[in-house]
Parts: sequence; C-alpha cells; structure tokens
Amino acid sequence: GQNIDQPTEMTATEGAIVQINCTYQTSGFNGLFWYQQHAGEAPTFLSYNVLDGLEEKGRFSSFLSRSKGYSYLLLKELQMKDSASYLCAPMDSNYQLIWGAGTKLIIKP
Amino acid sequence: DTGVSQNPRHKITKRGQNVTFRCDPISEHNRLYWYRQTLGQGPEFLTYFQNEAQLEKSRLLSDRFSAERPKGSFSTLEIQRTEQGDSAMYLCASSRLTSYEQYFGPGTRLTVT
Repeated sequence: GQNIDQPTEMTATEGAIVQINCTYQTSGFNGLFWYQQHAGEAPTFLSYNVLDGLEEKGRFSSFLSRSKGYSYLLLKELQMKDSASYLCAPMDSNYQLIWGAGTKLIIKP
Repeated sequence: DTGVSQNPRHKITKRGQNVTFRCDPISEHNRLYWYRQTLGQGPEFLTYFQNEAQLEKSRLLSDRFSAERPKGSFSTLEIQRTEQGDSAMYLCASSRLTSYEQYFGPGTRLTVT
C-alpha cells in the first residue's frame, strides 16, 4: 500500500530552525513535493525533489533520500507567518500525488 | 497567471440535495485535479483530467460524484443526494503538461446540514 508518515504537530521559536521529517512508501516514485497550507487556505507549492540531496530555496530547504524513502523540509530563521501545515506529497508511478495528513507547525515568539 | 478560481467559495445545503461546483484553471494548464480535504487531513484525490479526458477517478469515490471538463477548460464537480459526510473543502488544482507542480484554487467549502 501507499503510506506517508509525518509528525502531526511541531512547535518552534521565532528565529530558530525546524526540520519536518517525512517517510513514505509508494507504488513507484517520481519525485516528492512539499506544500505549505495556512489554516482555511489552499496549499501552495514549496519544493520538488526528484534526485537525492538537498535543494535550497531561500529560508526553506528540502532533502530527499530515495533509498530510505525519506525527505525533510528545513525552515530557517522562522517567522510568525511560517505557522501553517506542511504537507509531504510523493508522486507515484502514475504521476499522482499521495498526500500525507501534514505537520502543523506552531511558531512561538 | 490569474490563478485557479473556484465558485462558489461556500455552499450550505440540506442532506439529499444536489450541488455543483465550478473550477476555472490557469488558462494554459492542460491538467486539472479535484480533491477533497477535511480538517486535519491532507487532500484526498477525487479525479483528474488531461484536457477534456477524465483519465483517473478514485476507486473510493461514490457514484454520487461526477465531474466534467467538456471543452478542456473549466470543470464542474457535481454531488448528487448529498450526505453529511460530504461536508468538506473541495479543492481544484491545475498543472502544465510539462510540469507536475499543481496550483490550487481557494476551494469550495461544503456544509451539508
């Protein structure tokens, strides 16, 4: 079967760094997406990894290890506006996104 | 890009009624997706179009749900004989043929009373 595992909730302090982990099992693999979703809003694209390694984009970085079925999203210099849910979504052999339940990130001042 | 738009943004209906939602994707996007999302969960795939062809439909989807994309542009999602369990946010997303990055609309929040 297909399965995504990410922590339900995390708390971090403004200005700090946080790492959100995701492990996955899918039928085939064609890359992995991270999306951000603020409460009551639609998901917005953050990153896409198809090869192993770290992709950096400003304050956000995403890492992928295909052999381990593992990815993480790293957020640096946290700001209050980063309070949101972060969704890990690998793409299966049919190029469909398999969505996790997301990690709710709470930023405290 | 003008973005993906969805109408209506909110819909309250009584159990047993039919509802229809509309999605207008980004104009040059060939792929269009419908998802359902409930609180605390990720989006649940419903169906997917490439141009006007419906290429995939979730096996978990009841026969009460139907979607169309008649001219390969906008799409409609109809739910017949709504049930309280249909209450959710219905999200539409679109993407280019050359990229799998999906752009989401604001969603239609359905409440079935």
